[in-house]
Amino acid sequence: SYELTQPPSVSVSPGQTASITCSGPKLGEKYISWYQKKPGQSPLLVISHDTKRPSGIPERFSGSNSGNAATLTISGTQPMDEADYYCQAWDSGALVFGGGTKLTVL
Amino acid sequence: LQLQESGPGLVKPSETLSLTCNVSGDFITSSGYFWGWIRQPPGKGLEWIGSLYYSDNTDYSPSLKSRVTISVDTSKNQFSLMLTSATAADTAVYYCARQVTGPTDPFDVWGPGTMITVSS
Repeated sequence: SYELTQPPSVSVSPGQTASITCSGPKLGEKYISWYQKKPGQSPLLVISHDTKRPSGIPERFSGSNSGNAATLTISGTQPMDEADYYCQAWDSGALVFGGGTKLTVL
Repeated sequence: LQLQESGPGLVKPSETLSLTCNVSGDFITSSGYFWGWIRQPPGKGLEWIGSLYYSDNTDYSPSLKSRVTISVDTSKNQFSLMLTSATAADTAVYYCARQVTGPTDPFDVWGPGTMITVSS
């Protein structure tokens, strides 16, 4: 089965740029979405189809995808961005989530 | 559009876990929408369970396929999840969510989630 690999944790200082990666074989040939998950809340879609920001998502969130890796970039990271982030793709009839990355803003 | 999960909260091992997702603000039969179930065990990541289109097109996670059935009740504008032979490993927060144009699409609207504990 297809697997998406994310780093368990990423740390960033407020105002700096955070990059969270998601890797998998030929990932650039698939569409990637990214979700933000805070404790006690439902997941929030922040990036769809590699680069699209849904309505209401701040411009500081952006995405890219090529080769074997996708990246979620948060520019000017704010304390409110501290959360778990999950990538998601579809492969061979199954929807797959990455293991998640805990973003710490400190 | 709003989604709301409902379920028993506690399920005994070996029994069937049954959940319902009530859809309000739009019709479950609206063209192109798929409806899915996702879960998150305590301290773990998100896991896709399955997705369906109202006219009987369903896709299931390979790891759960033998135990899962997702169905729709268009008259009540809701869809349901049944997971047989429940074990402690099925303890999780269960979410229902919408996919806009197909099972390959992301989930853009989510319910608040419901905690299900499998224990005797």
